[in-house]
Amino acid sequence: AQSVTQLDSQVPVFEEAPVELRCNYSSSVSVYLFWYVQYPNQGLQLLLKYLSGSTLVESINGFEAEFNKSQTSFHLRKPSVHISDTAEYFCAVSDRQAGTALIFGKGTTLSVSS
Amino acid sequence: NAGVTQTPKFQVLKTGQSMTLQCAQDMNHNSMYWYRQDPGMGLRLIYYSASEGTTDKGEVPNGYNVSRLNKREFSLRLESAAPSQTSVYFCASISAASTYEQYFGPGTRLTVT
Repeated sequence: AQSVTQLDSQVPVFEEAPVELRCNYSSSVSVYLFWYVQYPNQGLQLLLKYLSGSTLVESINGFEAEFNKSQTSFHLRKPSVHISDTAEYFCAVSDRQAGTALIFGKGTTLSVSS
Repeated sequence: NAGVTQTPKFQVLKTGQSMTLQCAQDMNHNSMYWYRQDPGMGLRLIYYSASEGTTDKGEVPNGYNVSRLNKREFSLRLESAAPSQTSVYFCASISAASTYEQYFGPGTRLTVT
C-alpha cells in the first residue's frame, strides 16, 4: 500500500530565510502528488500539485516542489519565507491505478519568526 | 458557490451517544470523502464514495457508517461515540474528470467525553 513520509514534524525558521519541507512516498508506480496547507483553525487548501509534465511545479505564493521519480520524493521549497507562511503543510499522494483517494503524510509544522 | 460545507462546526458528545455529521458540495463532484485529523497523525481516510450510490471503507472505518444521500450530500454517522473518536473531521470532494484536486470543507471538531 502507498505511504507518505514527511521527514520533519516541525521546521522553525526566521523570516526571509529559505526553507525545504521534505516528502517521500513509498511506491514508484505512476502517482499524482500534492502539497496542501492548513492555516490555524482552518481546512486544507491545495498549494500545488504534480500530475504530469514538468517535474518542477510552482504555487502562486512562491512555493515550488520538484517531483523526483528515482528518489520517490516531492520536496517543497521556498527561497524566502514570510511570517504569514506559518502553517501546517501536508504532502499527499494518489495512486493513479487505485483511483482518487489521497494518502497523506503526518504533516510538517512550519513556524516562521521575525 | 459555497464549495464544501459541513455541519456542525463543533460538537461535544458523551460516550455512547450517536450523531451524524453532514457534508454537502455544490460543485457537481462525483467523489466524496471523510477524513479524520489527529495531532501527529495527518489525515486518515474513514470512508469514501466514488459516485452516488456507492461507498467504500478507507483506512479507519471502525465505529463509523456513511450514507451517500444523493450526489451533493455525504453524511458520517457515529452510532455509539467513544473517546477515541475525539478528532477533527473533514469532508472533501473531487471531480476526477478534471484536476484530481480535492476540495475540503472547514471541518467539524468533535469531542467525546
